[in-house]
Amino acid sequence: DAEITQSPRHKITETGRQVTLACHQTWNHNNMFWYRQDLGHGLRLIHYSYGVQDTNKGEVSDGYSVSRSNTEDLPLTLESAASSQTSVYFCASSDIGNTEAFFGQGTRLTVV
Amino acid sequence: DAKTTQPNSMESNEEEPVHLPCNHSTISGTDYIHWYRQLPSQGPEYVIHGLTSNVNNRMASLAIAEDRKSSTLILHRATLRDAAVYYCILRDGNQGGKLIFGQGTELSVKP
Repeated sequence: DAEITQSPRHKITETGRQVTLACHQTWNHNNMFWYRQDLGHGLRLIHYSYGVQDTNKGEVSDGYSVSRSNTEDLPLTLESAASSQTSVYFCASSDIGNTEAFFGQGTRLTVV
Repeated sequence: DAKTTQPNSMESNEEEPVHLPCNHSTISGTDYIHWYRQLPSQGPEYVIHGLTSNVNNRMASLAIAEDRKSSTLILHRATLRDAAVYYCILRDGNQGGKLIFGQGTELSVKP
């Protein structure tokens, strides 16, 4: 079955380090998204991509970057991790048009 | 991005219907109304979506007002597993792309 997977599921890192969170989908979806969710709040869009070589900034993109070199993967990089980036990160993908989006199980990132 | 307004929380009794309201007075003609829910410690999951007509699927029904400025998600018989945060989202049909989440409605279901 097609799926979307995130790795790692949990990570602890130190302030100032570069961190990359992986997102891989096997649906061959063009659209991919990264969100963060802080405790007790809704999801906020960080970056998104509508296809290979396409990336766009979302609501809270400062301190984050993404690259889309193939259809299946959209890695999220924290250039220099800060304690304010401690959060749960969700990746999602969807086909073009108004179809449903599929979300990964999330990565819990703690910056100490 | 068009915004939606939902109640912060609602309560329901098990096996009774639940009507979750959403206001979207600034909706544009190309916006689709999507509903997602998030169970505790999980990623969001798709529930239903529609444009103008009411929609039904195995999970729920979506009733859309004639002027499209509001909609209601209907769970026909709530179960304990339906306890979750429900998000009403407007998604641009031209792009079929990004989903912008609001705060959602936290639904609790009492046995």
